Amino acid sequence: KAGVTQTPRYLIKTRGQQVTLSCSPISGHRSVSWYQQTPGQGLQFLFEYFSETQRNKGNFPGRFSGRQFSNSRSEMNVSTLELGDSALYLCASSLFGGRGTDTQYFGPGTRLTVL
Amino acid sequence: DQQVKQNSPSLSVQEGRISILNCDYTNSMFDYFLWYKKYPAEGPTFLISISSIKDKNEDGRFTVFLNKSAKHLSLHIVPSQPGDSAVYFCASETGNQFYFGTGTSLTVIP
Repeated sequence: KAGVTQTPRYLIKTRGQQVTLSCSPISGHRSVSWYQQTPGQGLQFLFEYFSETQRNKGNFPGRFSGRQFSNSRSEMNVSTLELGDSALYLCASSLFGGRGTDTQYFGPGTRLTVL
Repeated sequence: DQQVKQNSPSLSVQEGRISILNCDYTNSMFDYFLWYKKYPAEGPTFLISISSIKDKNEDGRFTVFLNKSAKHLSLHIVPSQPGDSAVYFCASETGNQFYFGTGTSLTVIP
């Protein structure tokens, strides 16, 4: 079956702009989590959506937001971009949240560059 | 505040030998520990996990060891193969989120 897809794969924006990233999970998966990967920081959890509801949230400012649609597709929005937002943004889908024996499957990521 | 730490950014090993990747954590409430492998231009791929109630889990060439008293886990790959060359992330899970380390880049030399 098809894996997790993320669009776009690459994005260049300037400071102050906003950006929307998209994630299509594996068919049947109801949980989508978003992560930010930067050099030296590893993957940092942004938030998780399950059945259209934000279930968990990491320690990121309110400029980072997301939503999930009824077909489980998810979008992440970053407003008022800062240079430090340059990163690889990964989404991961799972049946129930990836806990215990449930596995998270990651997409290839969206590389965001803020100039 | 890095709750999961991988202190070795890189590791080189000869093909056929053992690779040992290490990870330390600070939160004794973690329920599960996981290892992911990441190739360039791809997302991380789940490799192996271990519950906090166990001290060892094995899957083929991959074995994860958990030492709760030391808050330390390690991934052993035996024998190492060139295709194992990738970045390895350890991760820990509480009830509501995951914490990842910064990764160790493994190079297996043919």
